[in-house]
Amino acid sequence: SQTIHQWPATLVQPVGSPLSLECTVEGTSNPNLYWYRQAAGRGLQLLFYSVGIGQISSEVPQNLSASRPQDRQFILSSKKLLLSDSGFYLCAWEGGFRTYEQYFGPGTRLTVT
Amino acid sequence: AQKITQTQPGMFVQEKEAVTLDCTYDTSDPSYGLFWYKQPSSGEMIFLIYQGSYDQQNATEGRYSLNFQKARKSANLVISASQLGDSAMYFCAMRLSARQLTFGSGTQLTVLP
Repeated sequence: SQTIHQWPATLVQPVGSPLSLECTVEGTSNPNLYWYRQAAGRGLQLLFYSVGIGQISSEVPQNLSASRPQDRQFILSSKKLLLSDSGFYLCAWEGGFRTYEQYFGPGTRLTVT
Repeated sequence: AQKITQTQPGMFVQEKEAVTLDCTYDTSDPSYGLFWYKQPSSGEMIFLIYQGSYDQQNATEGRYSLNFQKARKSANLVISASQLGDSAMYFCAMRLSARQLTFGSGTQLTVLP
């Protein structure tokens, strides 16, 4: 069966510090991968998606970047965090039996202080 | 541009009763998919149900059913026989052919004992 992992689960970082969030998927190959951000009490906003290694599409101009160094690995990064980067970050994969369904990871709660 | 609207920030329902969560959408694309996700306090997004724009029948998944009214552009979620574990945030989402999911702002459902 397929599983999706995210780490860390929670993170507190000072403004101006770098960021690296990792997402990995097991049990499937060549998935489409997504990074979403959820501000407190709001819906999800798509940040990046990837249809293959090294292929990244950005949806929102921002302080963040994404990379896909391996087929089942998706990384969200920042060189210098802003207060507005605080939120709940969710990774998702797609490409299973029901190809329209996105499966979400457990998320990372980021607080920038 | 596509848009999802959930007009109920919060809903209360008595245990064992049915509840309807509203969702309206706006798109000019004839091909789209509509989704409902549940987000408990743990933060994980759990897929509940899917309806394709060309599907002739309303989708059902156990206690969940989607009341799809294409002409009115509505895709309401009906939960029958509510349980205490149904208390969570519920998000309606739409996906066009370009893959990205667009989420509504969510409805916080509280099931009362």
